[in-house]
Amino acid sequence: GNSVTQMEGPVTLSEEAFLTINCTYTATGYPSLFWYVQYPGEGLQLLLKATKADDKGSNKGFEATYRKETTSFHLEKGSVQVSDSAVYFCALISAGGTSYGKLTFGQGTILTVHP
Amino acid sequence: NAGVTQTPKFRVLKTGQSMTLLCAQDMNHEYMYWYRQDPGMGLRLIHYSVGEGTTAKGEVPDGYNVSRLKKQNFLLGLESAAPSQTSVYFCASRGDGYYGYTFGSGTRLTVV
Repeated sequence: GNSVTQMEGPVTLSEEAFLTINCTYTATGYPSLFWYVQYPGEGLQLLLKATKADDKGSNKGFEATYRKETTSFHLEKGSVQVSDSAVYFCALISAGGTSYGKLTFGQGTILTVHP
Repeated sequence: NAGVTQTPKFRVLKTGQSMTLLCAQDMNHEYMYWYRQDPGMGLRLIHYSVGEGTTAKGEVPDGYNVSRLKKQNFLLGLESAAPSQTSVYFCASRGDGYYGYTFGSGTRLTVV
């Protein structure tokens, strides 16, 4: 079956530090990959996505590249802000079959950014 | 445009009690999903629906039932609540594309 593994958290950084959150996956075929963000007290919001190998998703200064050879989709940001404090989820959808577009999530990584 | 609305937002139940969580979407989406979120485990799929009148089991369906009598509503029922069902429950819906997921703001359920 499909699975997503994220780096252990929580992650605590100072403002303007570089962020990397590792994500690796196991899936059949060619999944679409996503990063979702959950701010305190809110639901999940799509942060970025990539649908095929070597695609780079980007949004709000965050980036992630779909690496098929290493089955990875690591999230990066060059300079984090206090407002980036949230929980980040890596996720995938396997196309076709009976998946019905079901999202499979990693365990989430809590990011806290201090001024 | 309200998107996905979940009610209630918070609830405390005693072991053995029953309750229903309501999810309503106003985007005419075909697909609807119920997830539970637990610390260190991400979101896990409980049940889902691919259209009005349909339901199917997800990854962790035991102890829950669902119904989709109307396209816009997806109900999650707990017939006899257990402490292991203490969690945050999220509903989501999407249209035909894989990228159009919309999540509700969640229901925090505590079973004592």
